[in-house]
Formats: sequence, structure tokens, C-alpha cells
Amino acid sequence: EAQVTQNPRYLITVTGKKLTVTCSQNMNHEYMSWYRQDPGLGLRQIYYSMNVEVTDKGDVPEGYKVSRKEKRNFPLILESPSPNQTSLYFCASSQPGGAGANVLTFGAGSRLTVL
Amino acid sequence: DAKTTQPPSMDCAEGRAANLPCNHSTISGNEYVYWYRQIHSQGPQYIIHGLKNNETNEMASLIITEDRKSSTLILPHATLRDTAVYYCIVRDRGLGGADGLTFGKGTHLIIQP
Repeated sequence: EAQVTQNPRYLITVTGKKLTVTCSQNMNHEYMSWYRQDPGLGLRQIYYSMNVEVTDKGDVPEGYKVSRKEKRNFPLILESPSPNQTSLYFCASSQPGGAGANVLTFGAGSRLTVL
Repeated sequence: DAKTTQPPSMDCAEGRAANLPCNHSTISGNEYVYWYRQIHSQGPQYIIHGLKNNETNEMASLIITEDRKSSTLILPHATLRDTAVYYCIVRDRGLGGADGLTFGKGTHLIIQP
């Protein structure tokens, strides 16, 4: 089944404790991206990647890092989490080429709480 | 991306057709209309997209007016599982999903039993 898999699905952590949210897709997609969703603010893009070793900032990149060493994986790294990073996170992927490039497959989400 | 306007909420009876409108009066010639939905706290799900012709797939139909300034997503036989927030997005095909889709506030569709 074509899918985007995120882990962990739920995490409670404390301020300053580094964490990584993994994202993996099995569709051989070149595009991958991370969004966060907060009440009243909707979905906002954090980082995106056009291909292996190519990453770029989205609308809200502060406090996050990403890497794209393999096509299938796009981890989101919080080096020193803070309470304002408490949010619902989604990873997504798509394949470039025409109108289908905007057809994103999203993961199920990772709910992160930073105390 | 062109701006879209959707009603904040709608109700529909189970088994009936749900018709969700979207206005996009500033749409340009290269921009497609995409629809996604998000069931509570789940990942957004792609539904359908189109340029100017009407489109149908296993989930829904998309009707785009001739002037392309508005569109309607039709769920032909709504079920309780179709209760979700529906997002209409207008976007040029060349930008790609990596460059941040703008989801807006969408329409909260509530299917009534």
C-alpha cells in the first residue's frame, strides 16, 4: 500500500531534550515536506525537499532541522524543543510533473507535546 | 496562488449528495483546482483536481464553471465518515507539492444521520 509513515505518533517530552520525528514514504516520490498544524493557524509548511540532499525552508522553519540522505526518508529534528513547538506534525510527499505534483500523500500525523 | 473562499460550515443528511462550493475569482489560466479533506486530526487526504473540465473519480465529482471562477465538489451519497473539513486549493501545476500548499480554513462538512 502506498503510504507515508511517521513515528512516533504521540510524544510527550521536556524542554531542551533533542528529538527526531521520522518520516518514510514507499512511493519513490522526489518531493517531501513537513507541516505543522495549530488551532486557528491551519497547516503551515516547516521545511521541504525537492530531492536527495536538497532541502529548503518553508514558512515556519525556526527551531527545526531536516535532512534528506535517502529518497524515502525525511526526518524532522528538534534540537532543543520548546513549548511553542507543541503541535500536530504532518509529513507529506508527492511526485513532480504537471498537475500531479500538487497531489500530496500525507502521513497520519505526530502529536508532540513539549513541557 | 489564487485566493479561495469557502463557507465555514455546511450540514448534509446521510445518503444525500453533499455539494461544497468554492469561489476562486482570481484564478489564472495555468492554475488547477484541488480538493483535500481532513477528518479530525488525521492527515489531509487528496480528493480530486481539475483545470476546466468536470472531473469524477471514485470519491467525488468536481464541477468547474465555464469562466473557472468557482467550482463545486460533489460527494454523491454522503456517509457519516465524510464528516471532515474540506479544503479547496488553487495552484499552478508547475509549483509542486514541495513548495507549500495553502490550506486555508476550509468548509467543515457535518453529515447528519
